[in-house]
Amino acid sequence: DVKVTQSSRYLVKRTGEKVFLECVQDMDHENMFWYRQDPGLGLRLIYFSYDVKMKEKGDIPEGYSVSREKKERFSLILESASTNQTSMYLCASRWTASTDTQYFGPGTRLTVL
Amino acid sequence: AQRVTQPEKLLSVFKGAPVELKCNYSYSGSPELFWYVQYSRQRLQLLLRHISRESIKGFTADLNKGETSFHLKKPFAQEEDSAMYYCALYTGRRALTFGSGTRLQVQP
Repeated sequence: DVKVTQSSRYLVKRTGEKVFLECVQDMDHENMFWYRQDPGLGLRLIYFSYDVKMKEKGDIPEGYSVSREKKERFSLILESASTNQTSMYLCASRWTASTDTQYFGPGTRLTVL
Repeated sequence: AQRVTQPEKLLSVFKGAPVELKCNYSYSGSPELFWYVQYSRQRLQLLLRHISRESIKGFTADLNKGETSFHLKKPFAQEEDSAMYYCALYTGRRALTFGSGTRLQVQP
């Protein structure tokens, strides 16, 4: 059974803290993605990675960075968390073909105080 | 630039009524379109993709290139269809572009 896991379901951090969100997939997928999900805005792509050590900016990369040192793991980093980064963060992974299913993790609800 | 528009934030229908969730896209090339669904307390999952021309859980969606639309339809709504629905577009950029989502409420 396909599995995408995220390190935390809920996270509370203070403004200015460095935050790490981890995502692990066990399907040997090449492509991995980070989205944020906000009411009325839907899912917006932050960053994605199409191979180990490869990354590409999505639509809203400002304030975020990513790391992919191993194929199964894709980390999202908030260098200095701000209140406007309070959101639900979703990780996803997929094989390379465009018509392949994107499998999503359960999400991490991050609150920045 | 590519864009997906879902004009309705909330669609409320009674059980047994027909459902149509609207999706319009903006893309100059040949699009690949998907519908994803998120049930309460569950993760987002693929419902259907236009290339398969399939019917999943009674839902169908037809790509209309002339109207740049990919509306999701079901002839008779069920209470278990209540969920958040997202239309998504693949444009060859390796990542999907999602719409803002429509919450479907099916009332008994």
